[in-house]
Amino acid sequence: GAVVSQHPSRVICKSGTSVKIECRSLDFQATTMFWYRQFPKQSLMLMATSNEGSKATYEQGVEKDKFLINHASLTLSTLTVASAHPEDSSFYICSASDGGSYNEQFFGPGTRLTVL
Amino acid sequence: KQEVTQIPAALSVPEGENLVLNCSFTDSAIYNLQWFRQDPGKGLTSLLLIQSSQREQTSGRLNASLDKSSGRSTLYIAASQPGDSATYLCAVTPGGNNRLAFGKGNQVVVIP
Repeated sequence: GAVVSQHPSRVICKSGTSVKIECRSLDFQATTMFWYRQFPKQSLMLMATSNEGSKATYEQGVEKDKFLINHASLTLSTLTVASAHPEDSSFYICSASDGGSYNEQFFGPGTRLTVL
Repeated sequence: KQEVTQIPAALSVPEGENLVLNCSFTDSAIYNLQWFRQDPGKGLTSLLLIQSSQREQTSGRLNASLDKSSGRSTLYIAASQPGDSATYLCAVTPGGNNRLAFGKGNQVVVIP
């Protein structure tokens, strides 16, 4: 159980394109979803936290107009990178929590974004 | 702000040796601590989760200990195998919220 999927797994786009990444909890209801980015040989950096039906909470330094997050249902959150530029190239990983007593997060397989 | 440090950053061991990976955190007021495995270009696989009230967790060849007062956790992998080659990430959940703070990882290579 506790499976999280991401789509697409890999995307290559031209500069200026907007890219949408989906994160789905397949077998549980995710009250909270998290979006991380990871640069090569670096750790995961939390970008934002989203709760179903409410606005996402962004970490300091993350542009909310650049990284648009929608958590429309208890099983789906989307991250849209608006007008992507080469510096947005990174590995984006989502996680989901069912709010259980352990506060455990279950991670998706990640999306590799390359902006040319 | 919670800071998580993992030492060593990288290590290589011959197959069969035991692995010892260290994680330290600056704020002992944590809710839980997790160890993850990450293969190159892949997402995270949860290995062990230790609640703040626990001192260790075991799963097969893996054992993780937690000393909250000193801000340390150790992941032991017994009788290492080439398939254990990966990056191991330590993450803590600060008390009061569920935002994980990650270390940079221990990159492990097990040599056949």
